[in-house]
Amino acid sequence: AQKVTQAQTEISVVEKEDVTLDCVYETRDTTYYLFWYKQPPSGELVFLIRRNSFDEQNEISGRYSWNFQKSTSSFNFTITASQVVDSAVYFCALASGTYKYIFGTGTRLKVLA
Amino acid sequence: GAVVSQHPSWVICKSGTSVKIECRSLDFQATTMFWYRQFPKQSLMLMATSNEGSKATYEQGVEKDKFLINHASLTLSTLTVTSAHPEDSSFYICSARHNEQFFGPGTRLTVL
Repeated sequence: AQKVTQAQTEISVVEKEDVTLDCVYETRDTTYYLFWYKQPPSGELVFLIRRNSFDEQNEISGRYSWNFQKSTSSFNFTITASQVVDSAVYFCALASGTYKYIFGTGTRLKVLA
Repeated sequence: GAVVSQHPSWVICKSGTSVKIECRSLDFQATTMFWYRQFPKQSLMLMATSNEGSKATYEQGVEKDKFLINHASLTLSTLTVTSAHPEDSSFYICSARHNEQFFGPGTRLTVL
């Protein structure tokens, strides 16, 4: 069975702090994709990143960075120098051959001014 | 590119009525669309996979007679919540597959 675990239900940080959101996944497939989405209060999902299982290279995009480690089945997301606008719910998701997305339960991030 | 729209963005209806939600891929054709439901402060749960020209595939526990899905064209899928009840109040999100999934903005349904 496939599963995505986001153990952190809610995180609060003060603006300019760094914060890491954890994501652990389970799958028996050798080819799969991992995603991160941001969901602001409006509800619309904002795509952040897609990673395939053969690419373990870490990625940085501005203040965002992702650490993909197959050895620990983790795909963690770090926001550097957090801002109030980063406040949202963040979802990690897993997809494989069926193209169905399995979402984690989400982490609510509150960035306080 | 790869824009998916949903209509309406929100709807309030009386218990017992039916509500139709549209999901359109605006700039690409999608043979497969997906419907998700998200209850407050919960995750997105896949309800069904909608394939153009064929019957939808429902996830375990989702009543196919209550949530009617029609994928009549390569750019349009509709979800009809029949005889809606307050427990059907939720945020419904569709996605269209074009190599990966592109998500619509969601429809907030409130059943009184």
